[in-house]
Order: sequence, then structure tokens, then C-alpha cells
Amino acid sequence: DSGVTQTPKHLITATGQRVTLRCSPRSGDLSVYWYQQSLDQGLQFLIQYYNGEERAKGNILERFSAQQFPDLHSELNLSSLELGDSALYFCASSARMDTEAFFGQGTRLTVV
Amino acid sequence: SQQGEEDPQALSIQEGENATMNCSYKTSINNLQWYRQNSGRGLVHLILIRSNEREKHSGRLRVTLDTSKKSSSLLITASRAADTASYFCAINIYNQGGKLIFGQGTELSVKP
Repeated sequence: DSGVTQTPKHLITATGQRVTLRCSPRSGDLSVYWYQQSLDQGLQFLIQYYNGEERAKGNILERFSAQQFPDLHSELNLSSLELGDSALYFCASSARMDTEAFFGQGTRLTVV
Repeated sequence: SQQGEEDPQALSIQEGENATMNCSYKTSINNLQWYRQNSGRGLVHLILIRSNEREKHSGRLRVTLDTSKKSSSLLITASRAADTASYFCAINIYNQGGKLIFGQGTELSVKP
């Protein structure tokens, strides 16, 4: 168990809908990261938050947004969903930005 | 692309043999990390090697880093069927926060 909790584990939704993925980082970790894993793109970095502030951004679509709350949990919001958004979405956390990241079990999103 | 490239893409060996996976990248790094993923589940951190280190060991794992060649290798000795998984290298780039840029992974199959 990595100590990173993601909910829900599975999500099936229709095109055009909006979903929210939730992540609780390891206790004490200030950095939270979101990654997307798909067969064609592999593991892609989406966005990083550090202690509530956005720290780094990857190839995150404008339809996607995230935030980190004062209790350090994070949410990834995906809107106007398309079939191509079907993927595994991982959250990870780390104590510092130059240390190992601990990954949650992921949310498998299926857009139908 | 700064993305790490892994070689081979797939590797099939017998239990007891050694497995070697290679990773190359294109930019200066802060550290390089190796992760394992069992079929669509969360990533498990294996080892982190910093840019000023050349070799690290953890149990049956040995990682080398050659920053002049921008390459790293992961050696798993005396492999077991339970080592069957996908292995990813990920680079952390100095001054780009803690985000990780992942390679495409090596799929390792260890046959009993």
C-alpha cells in the first residue's frame, strides 16, 4: 500500500459528461501529481500541485482542471468528455520534488 | 522529446536468469527513477539514482547511470515469476518541479 488513495477505482460515463477524480496523498506529502496512462500515449504528466499551488503543467487539455485543497487532497476535473479520454488516471505524491513519488492505484475511466 | 526510451520493449526469460533493461534520455536530469507496474495497477517505486551517482543497489536490483551517455540500466538478478511486470524509467529534470517524464516501458515476462 503506497498510502495514496484514489477514488473511484472505476468510472464509466458518457461522452460530453463531466467527472471528478479524487486523490488523498500520503500523510505529510505536500506535492501531488496527476498522470494519464493510455495505450497510445503511455504515461503522461498532467499537472503538479505543491501545498495548494500549481507548480508544473504538462500536456493537460483545457477541458481538464485540477486543484489541491487546504487539507492537501486533490481533485482532477474532466469535462466535455470524449472517447479518447478513456484511460487510467493516476495520482502520485512526494515529500519533496527531488524524491520518489508514490502512486495510487488509479482511476480507470471509460467514456462510452 | 525529453522522454526516456526503453529497450527492449519486451523481454521473456526463464526463472533464475538475469534481466537487463535499458533507458536513454535526451536532457540533463536531476535524478532517474525506476518503477514497476503489474498489469494496469499502480506504479511501485523501485529505485532512485541521482545525477551524481553511478550505481545503486536494492536487494536483487542494480541500477547504473551514465550521464555522459544519458543512459541507465536496470538489472534484476535471479529473476522470479513474481517479477513479471512492466518496468518504467522516469526522469526528473532539474528546475521543473517534481514531475516525472516516463519512458514507454519494458514488459518483462519471467517463465517458471
